[in-house]
Amino acid sequence: QKEVEQNSGPLSVPEGAIASLNCTYSDRGSQSFFWYRQYSGKSPELIMFIYSNGDKEDGRFTAQLNKASQYVSLLIRDSQPSDSATYLCAVNGAGGGNKLTFGTGTQLKVEL
Amino acid sequence: EAGVVQSPRYKIIEKKQPVAFWCNPISGHNTLYWYLQNLGQGPELLIRYENEEAVDDSQLPKDRFSAERLKGVDSTLKIQPAELGDSAVYLCASSSRDRAVEQFFGPGTRLTVL
Repeated sequence: QKEVEQNSGPLSVPEGAIASLNCTYSDRGSQSFFWYRQYSGKSPELIMFIYSNGDKEDGRFTAQLNKASQYVSLLIRDSQPSDSATYLCAVNGAGGGNKLTFGTGTQLKVEL
Repeated sequence: EAGVVQSPRYKIIEKKQPVAFWCNPISGHNTLYWYLQNLGQGPELLIRYENEEAVDDSQLPKDRFSAERLKGVDSTLKIQPAELGDSAVYLCASSSRDRAVEQFFGPGTRLTVL
């Protein structure tokens, strides 16, 4: 079992719709959870992070965390073509020390 | 505020040749990371520095890879000799002491080994 798992996609959504990206992790002691966006040929860019169970909202983005289910998701409301990218889920494990373990990413395509 | 700077952006070498990558983190960031990213994969940590000390190098293939951060600012990652399987993007990231969880990535160096 991979430490951080994501569906590789592509996930296609129409412009204006809600895109839902999911991630599961294996280390039950994981402390913090991150979503990065990576455009083709570019480096990862931090979108948001979450520590506690529940929802965290930042503009059009909402991160959701369920530690009991070892599940974290990212919702993008009012999806725009500029949101088309690969979204990487990353987890800071029980050992801490800012050692991030990344998933393979989900490719999102927002279609006109 | 300038971001993380890396050079070169692209490098093509033949196998068995040495190669070096350079990274200058965001000013004031004490933690520096080197990651490797293969196509279609997420970044994988190679080494993490706190100031000039390598605090996590468990994933660094020490038979051919080496890194240094002598003055606790910029850093160099070296591969000698390079192998075909080393073709990847090498990413440098940095974070500050007071916002340690937020890692900011540089543009990366794309290495092709022929």
